[in-house]
Amino acid sequence: QVHLVQSGADVKMPGASVRVSCKASHYTFTSYGISWVRQAPGQGLEWMGWISAYNGNTNYAQKFQGRVTMTTDTSTNTAYMELRSLKSDDTAVYYCARGTYDILTGYYELDYWGQGTLVTVSS
Amino acid sequence: SYELTQPPSVSVSPGQTARITCSGDALPKKYAHWYQQKSGRAPVVVIYEDRKRPSAIPERFSGSKSGTMATLTISGAQVEDEGDYYCYSTDSSGNHGVFGGGTKVTVL
Repeated sequence: QVHLVQSGADVKMPGASVRVSCKASHYTFTSYGISWVRQAPGQGLEWMGWISAYNGNTNYAQKFQGRVTMTTDTSTNTAYMELRSLKSDDTAVYYCARGTYDILTGYYELDYWGQGTLVTVSS
Repeated sequence: SYELTQPPSVSVSPGQTARITCSGDALPKKYAHWYQQKSGRAPVVVIYEDRKRPSAIPERFSGSKSGTMATLTISGAQVEDEGDYYCYSTDSSGNHGVFGGGTKVTVL
């Protein structure tokens, strides 16, 4: 059974950075990409970006351009999302999810999700 | 920026049909996928590629698309179908994913 296991909850000060990890198992990691999605308290889902685990290509939502970096480590089947210059409204649950993208068709479904990581930004 | 528009809420009685719409300019050329989210849990895909249903999802869930509107239909809604539903697709640039604002479904 495909599994995505995320790192634990974190509390950060405004202006700091956070890195969330997402360890994949039971599938060929490099055959899929990983999208990162966040959900602020009481709000909807927000797509942050996508990374190909095959070649490291990324697409970031314009809102996060310059502030987010997504990477993968194929030796450990782990994806990472780093968000910098944190503000209070970055407080959210951050999810990783497995998904494929192709330039002609666009994004396919996100079929498996991690359990979510709560990041709290507070002074 | 590109948006997918959903109604904020839909309410039906048990056994009735619930329809949730999602409109977006790029939908004629891009797949729509639908997610169910129950409070505090990760979303679960209920329809993918406009109308395909994962094997674990009950047959009462179906999807369709016409022009700029995709629709998720729950035929004979059950109390356990209550939750938030989100459509997900690709924007008109083809580079970015986007979620609709979500629809809260109440079955009572």
